[in-house]
Amino acid sequence: DADVTQTPRNRITKTGKRIMLECSQTKGHDRMYWYRQDPGLGLRLIYYSFDVKDINKGEISDGYSVSRQAQAKFSLSLESAIPNQTALYFCATSEGGNEQFFGPGTRLTVL
Amino acid sequence: TQLLEQSPQFLSIQEGENLTVYCNSSSVFSSLQWYRQEPGEGPVLLVTVVTGGEVKKLKRLTFQFGDARKDSSLHITAAQPGDTGLYLCAGKPGDGNMLTFGGGTRLMVKP
Repeated sequence: DADVTQTPRNRITKTGKRIMLECSQTKGHDRMYWYRQDPGLGLRLIYYSFDVKDINKGEISDGYSVSRQAQAKFSLSLESAIPNQTALYFCATSEGGNEQFFGPGTRLTVL
Repeated sequence: TQLLEQSPQFLSIQEGENLTVYCNSSSVFSSLQWYRQEPGEGPVLLVTVVTGGEVKKLKRLTFQFGDARKDSSLHITAAQPGDTGLYLCAGKPGDGNMLTFGGGTRLMVKP
């Protein structure tokens, strides 16, 4: 079984809809991250959490919110999706500031 | 402007050729990581370099961290089709705790 799982894997939605992306991990790591990936831009950090109830903004947090309900779960919400939020979204975990372990990604399309 | 610039962005070569991918910055990093990402999957860590001038080898892959810890290179000898993928460098700034990713180099090795 995968250590970091993301649901859904693919989602198509319309402008203005609320979307939630879920991430779960079985690695027991304290730190969790949400990134978005766009062609040629690598991975950009949206939000990160070092522990339950700890939430920190990343490079591109506008238009997004997160919730760290438990050590193993970190969800990303788009309150009112817009087309330029069409991207590949990755969740990752780490033990301290070391190697990050990524989920398989969620491909989100906003029409 | 990205903190980490990767070049080239795209590279298409024949099996058996050698290649070098570069990751450059004007900033100093306390450590630098290289990840490889295959289609439909999240990035997977290949190596972490922490000391200026450090060279690490992973089979046919050679990673080097610049003396000033501002740049890095990845050299692949006798590339194989299985080396195809997106190569991402990620640095941890000297005064920070988060990884910053480069834009990636998309490599295709043709049989």
